[in-house]
Amino acid sequence: SQQGEEDPQALSIQEGENATMNCSYKTSINNLQWYRQNSGRGLVHLILIRSNEREKHSGRLRVTLDTSKKSSSLLITASRAADTASYFCALPSGGSNYKLTFGKGTLLTVNP
Amino acid sequence: EADIYQTPRYLVIGTGKKITLECSQTMGHDKMYWYQQDPGMELHLIHYSYGVNSTEKGDLSSESTVSRIRTEHFPLTLESARPSHTSQYLCASSDVKGTRYEQYFGPGTRLTVT
Repeated sequence: SQQGEEDPQALSIQEGENATMNCSYKTSINNLQWYRQNSGRGLVHLILIRSNEREKHSGRLRVTLDTSKKSSSLLITASRAADTASYFCALPSGGSNYKLTFGKGTLLTVNP
Repeated sequence: EADIYQTPRYLVIGTGKKITLECSQTMGHDKMYWYQQDPGMELHLIHYSYGVNSTEKGDLSSESTVSRIRTEHFPLTLESARPSHTSQYLCASSDVKGTRYEQYFGPGTRLTVT
């Protein structure tokens, strides 16, 4: 099963700035998900984007998917200190959309 | 917040002890999962279940075992804990209906084996 690779591994910004993180993968997928994890707690699902979608929005989040480049990006606009967390992309695994593999994540720190 | 619960939240136990990590969800989800995560690292799927009496091993080999006797309950057991089992264990569930693939996670159990 393939694993997404997030980039950068860590990102530190000031409150109010935008944060962009990327996820690259190797083989074709039906969909890609993004999750957030606050300080070692459980993950929270943020957004799912399907292979026939190029862009999706949810509040201050914007996700893009470029299937030709096999990459996705997560943009958080007007960041807040509460956005400080690790962000993971998750890909379908083992031929199932229900089993997921997670990347190593991007640690985002938003400084007040 | 999803209705998925894990107990205990923290557990410190000696080598050789038998432990059971509890996971329950009240959403009626068919699919449930156990992940293992070391600090600052990715999640590794160690077990999953697609319904009652159905359990499968995940991508990462684990000495733990699971059972699924009731839809809402998916406990994980270690017969003899070792320091190498020290990690965070995350339980998750997902809805089988349609194309809802997102997983809902519990808060995790942080296990330390001394």
